[in-house]
Amino acid sequence: NAGVTQTPKFRILKIGQSMTLQCAQDMNHNYMYWYRQDPGMGLKLIYYSVGAGITDKGEVPNGYNVSRSTTEDFPLRLELAAPSQTSVYFCASSYRDRVEKLFFGSGTQLSVL
Amino acid sequence: EDQVTQSPEALRLQEGESSSLNCSYTVSGLRGLFWYRQDPGKGPEFLFTLYSAGEEKEKERLKATLTKKESFLHITAPKPEDSATYLCAVQARDYKLSFGAGTTVTVRA
Repeated sequence: NAGVTQTPKFRILKIGQSMTLQCAQDMNHNYMYWYRQDPGMGLKLIYYSVGAGITDKGEVPNGYNVSRSTTEDFPLRLELAAPSQTSVYFCASSYRDRVEKLFFGSGTQLSVL
Repeated sequence: EDQVTQSPEALRLQEGESSSLNCSYTVSGLRGLFWYRQDPGKGPEFLFTLYSAGEEKEKERLKATLTKKESFLHITAPKPEDSATYLCAVQARDYKLSFGAGTTVTVRA
């Protein structure tokens, strides 16, 4: 089992560019999440999905979009990148969201210059 | 608003020098408290879930305990491979998950 796979590992964007962060899991988990991690701060939830075709906003959704067309994939789209979106992004999954541990990918380090 | 505060921010230990990390929380109806380990350049990895005050869980040199206001992660006789950032997270009544900023532990040989 690969678990949760994120690509790319690193990316540098110019202000105003767009990109998609890819996330795939092979554990047949229903729930998937996108978090961002900034220095000195706890992980913040951007978006989450409870199953294919169903997504919802987390704490910090502005400037991001998601889709969930399959159980396995949950891409995160950044439109019109801004320096405030410089961060490390983690995708995670869980079988359920009821007091369930999360399985995290290895992260994408994004710099917007 | 739910809050999770971890202390200290950083901890430097000599190999074999036991210590404790603190996670203080305020939450509307605790459903569970989680501890994760995060190595540099990696995603967090699950360690423990604690559900109610008085509960304890152990894994190798790590022991997690829970009270109504805080949790401790005790590291007994640490080794260099225990060096990592340890994250605490609490899940509230509405299932919202809040993470602390973490404690970075460095264990010197």
